[in-house]
Amino acid sequence: EAGVVQSPRYKIIEKKQPVAFWCNPISGHNTLYWYRQNLGQGPELLIRYENEEAVDDSQLPKDRFSAERLKGVDSTLKIQPAELGDSAVYLCASSLAIGGGSYNEQFFGPGTRLTVL
Amino acid sequence: AQSVSQHNHHVILSEAASLELGCNYSYGGTVNLFWYVQYPGQHLQLLLKYFSGDPLVKGIKGFEAEFIKSKFSFNLRKPSVQWSDTAEYFCAVVRGTDSWGKLQFGAGTQVVVTP
Repeated sequence: EAGVVQSPRYKIIEKKQPVAFWCNPISGHNTLYWYRQNLGQGPELLIRYENEEAVDDSQLPKDRFSAERLKGVDSTLKIQPAELGDSAVYLCASSLAIGGGSYNEQFFGPGTRLTVL
Repeated sequence: AQSVSQHNHHVILSEAASLELGCNYSYGGTVNLFWYVQYPGQHLQLLLKYFSGDPLVKGIKGFEAEFIKSKFSFNLRKPSVQWSDTAEYFCAVVRGTDSWGKLQFGAGTQVVVTP
C-alpha cells in the first residue's frame, strides 16, 4: 500500500515569508499527526487530528502556526510568518485508530525539511 | 513532565560487533515502549514495540529490546551488526492511558557501522 505522502520535500524561504506543507495519509487512516523535528532531537508532536477534528494542539504555536484537515483526509500545516527558529523537519504520520485503550501504530512520511534564512 | 533519555548521541562500531543502545523514561505509570529507526534518506519506521507480557521483545532485522520496569529502561540490542544497520535510532514512549498514541521521543542515537 502507498505510504504517507508529504510535499514539498525541501523548502527554503526567507524569514517573515509564509510556508505551507501538505500531507496525504495512508488511505483509510482516520488519525493524522504533525510533528516537528529539530536538528539533533526527536520528533515533537504539534497537532493530532481524529478525522477532521483537531483533538490535541497544545504544542502548536498558534500565533504563527495553523493546520487544517478538511474532509478528514489530506492536511495542510502553515506557518505565517516564518522565523529563523522554525527551521526543522516537519513530519506527518497517520494511524488507524481503533481505540479501546490499544495503541495504534503510526506510520510516518518522509518529512519536509524547512530552512528559514 | 514525561521525558525519554537516550544515553548516546553517536555510536561507531565495526561490522559483527554487538550493539546496545540505552533508553530511560521518567513516567511512573503504565507505558508502551517503542524503538523507531530512520535509515539514511528514508522515513521513520517501527523497529519493535512493547505493550505487555514478555519483557524481552523481538523486532525486525534481528533487533531485540528488554523492558526493565524497575529501571525504567528499554534498551535496544543486536548481537552482530551489519553495515546496513547504519541509521538513527529513536526510543519512544506512550503513556498507557493514552490510546491515541502521543509518542514522546528521545533525542535519537546515530549509529554508524563501518565495514
